[in-house]
Amino acid sequence: EDKVVQSPLSLVVHEGDTVTLNCSYEVTNFRSLLWYKQEKKAPTFLFMLTSSGIEKKSGRLSSILDKKELSSILNITATQTGDSAIYLCAVGTPLVFGKGTRLSVIA
Amino acid sequence: DTGVSQDPRHKITKRGQNVTFRCDPISEHNRLYWYRQTLGQGPEFLTYFQNEAQLEKSRLLSDRFSAERPKGSFSTLEIQRTEQGDSAMYLCASSLNGLYQETQYFGPGTRLLVL
Repeated sequence: EDKVVQSPLSLVVHEGDTVTLNCSYEVTNFRSLLWYKQEKKAPTFLFMLTSSGIEKKSGRLSSILDKKELSSILNITATQTGDSAIYLCAVGTPLVFGKGTRLSVIA
Repeated sequence: DTGVSQDPRHKITKRGQNVTFRCDPISEHNRLYWYRQTLGQGPEFLTYFQNEAQLEKSRLLSDRFSAERPKGSFSTLEIQRTEQGDSAMYLCASSLNGLYQETQYFGPGTRLLVL
């Protein structure tokens, strides 16, 4: 059975800090790992990482896949209050999600 | 807006009643997924369709739940004889299944409260 574990479950930082969110997974047939951001609504897509695309970057957010360690990290630099959200990691089809990391950025 | 839409956005019902939710996927997407999310948890898979065919249902899915996608476009999820434990956010997602990886895009969800 596919499994995703995220850590930490919650995190409080100050604006301007850099954060690293962790995701480890077990999946029968790996195709991709996805990161989503969830505010008070449905998850919005951030990144997809695959065997051929192990690093992605968009603005202050970046993510790396480590296939050997079966894990991924999501980095957010120069955090802003608008980054406050739950960050979800998922693998498989259909997607199996972790519980998410709740990030709170305080001014 | 051409994103995934869901209706209604909120539903309050009494225990024992039936409820039905609708999802309209992104128009060119052939796969449609239903998930359920409760507080403090990530979304949990319920079922999914490729075109009109229901390809997989979660083993955790009660017989009181049924889903359809009759014309391969919109989908409905019905819960019969609702229980308080059915209270959750019901999320729909769609994707275009191709040779390579697929990205699922989520709708705004339907929040169900069973009293």
